[in-house]
Amino acid sequence: EVQLVESGGGLVKPGGSLRLSCAASGFTLSKFGMNWVRQAPGKGLEWVASISDSATDIDYADSVKGRFSISRDTGKNLVDLQMNTLRAEDTAVYYCARDSSSFTNWFDPWGQGTLVIVSS
Amino acid sequence: DIQMTQSPSSLSASVGDRVTITCRASQGISNSLAWYQQKPGKAPKVLLYAASRLESGVPSRFSGSGSGSEYTLTISSLQPEDFATYYCQQYHITPPYTFGQGTKLEI
Repeated sequence: EVQLVESGGGLVKPGGSLRLSCAASGFTLSKFGMNWVRQAPGKGLEWVASISDSATDIDYADSVKGRFSISRDTGKNLVDLQMNTLRAEDTAVYYCARDSSSFTNWFDPWGQGTLVIVSS
Repeated sequence: DIQMTQSPSSLSASVGDRVTITCRASQGISNSLAWYQQKPGKAPKVLLYAASRLESGVPSRFSGSGSGSEYTLTISSLQPEDFATYYCQQYHITPPYTFGQGTKLEI
């Protein structure tokens, strides 16, 4: 069964850092692009970052560029999101989502999400 | 960047109703559109991809259509479990992957 489980969320002060992890199972991480999508409380979905199957293409939303970094460890089947210089507006549930296939870019499946709260 | 505009933002309907949600892209997206359903406290789940292809396991009362820059999601006969929020997403030109703002379907 394909499964994604996020961890690492919590309460952090503005300007602080947090590292989220997505544990992948049931598939080979090196064969799929992976993504982080966030959802602020009561708001819609916002794509945050992507890493390609080969890890050679990495992209970020303008809202997080220069502050967030996506990486993966195929040996540990983990996809991480390092978040620095956090702002109140980064408060959201962060979802890890896999590209649906090696050639297609809708997101399936998704993890259950991890909540990040940026507040003093 | 391609902008996605969904309408309506909310919709009240009854069990058995037929409902349609529209998603407009700021430019043509060549059917590179997915629809997701999200229930409170849960992750989104894909319903359709390539504008009209039903994901495995999704009931046939869900259907999608459209072309160019305008697409629709139709639920032919609403069931109690369909009350949720629906999002469209374009994957034609990325990054960024852009979502519509969502349509909350309420009883």
